[in-house]
Amino acid sequence: EAGVAQSPRYKIIEKRQSVAFWCNPISGHATLYWYQQILGQGPKLLIQFQNNGVVDDSQLPKDRFSAERLKGVDSTLKIQPAKLEDSAVYLCASSSGVTTQYFGPGTRLLVL
Amino acid sequence: GIQVEQSPPDLILQEGANSTLRCNFSDSVNNLQWFHQNPWGQLINLFYIPSGTKQNGRLSATTVATERYSLLYISSSQTTDSGVYFCAVVRGEYGNKLVFGAGTILRVKS
Repeated sequence: EAGVAQSPRYKIIEKRQSVAFWCNPISGHATLYWYQQILGQGPKLLIQFQNNGVVDDSQLPKDRFSAERLKGVDSTLKIQPAKLEDSAVYLCASSSGVTTQYFGPGTRLLVL
Repeated sequence: GIQVEQSPPDLILQEGANSTLRCNFSDSVNNLQWFHQNPWGQLINLFYIPSGTKQNGRLSATTVATERYSLLYISSSQTTDSGVYFCAVVRGEYGNKLVFGAGTILRVKS
């Protein structure tokens, strides 16, 4: 079974630019998550989707971050405009209901 | 919100040694997972263990939900066990959001 796919793997941008990340979950997984992991810390949930509806986006900085999952499968996470403190690894995970979450390889973002 | 504390924060072992990592959480949970984050950043599932004991090869885990802690045992450690070990929990009323501890950094020397 294929795992969670993410792209790009690395991205370097300058502050105030915009960036987008893509995630393809494990086939059949209705629940998709985006986490942000700052260096030296554990991942923190940004947003959770159930099919194409948002379950939890309480920790998403909505003035600059947005995410969508239009057809209930792939998802994109966008940052516009980026700040220096957005430098982190962005992890996508998926699960089949309220069970084990499986993580993708992550996108490492560096904002200069 | 729920607090997750992991200990020790870092650990250095000689290859072949055994170790125990601890995870304490501040409230009842519906789910608990242990992960290994390898040097390339990939989070690898080790155990889904809201309660009880499970074993997988040289690794085993025990969660005592009533006392709000979980333990991860690594026996006969290998250099490939190096990395960061995370404990993460779910509180039911927050969807399925995993709340992570700060992790334990493990270095296994040959």
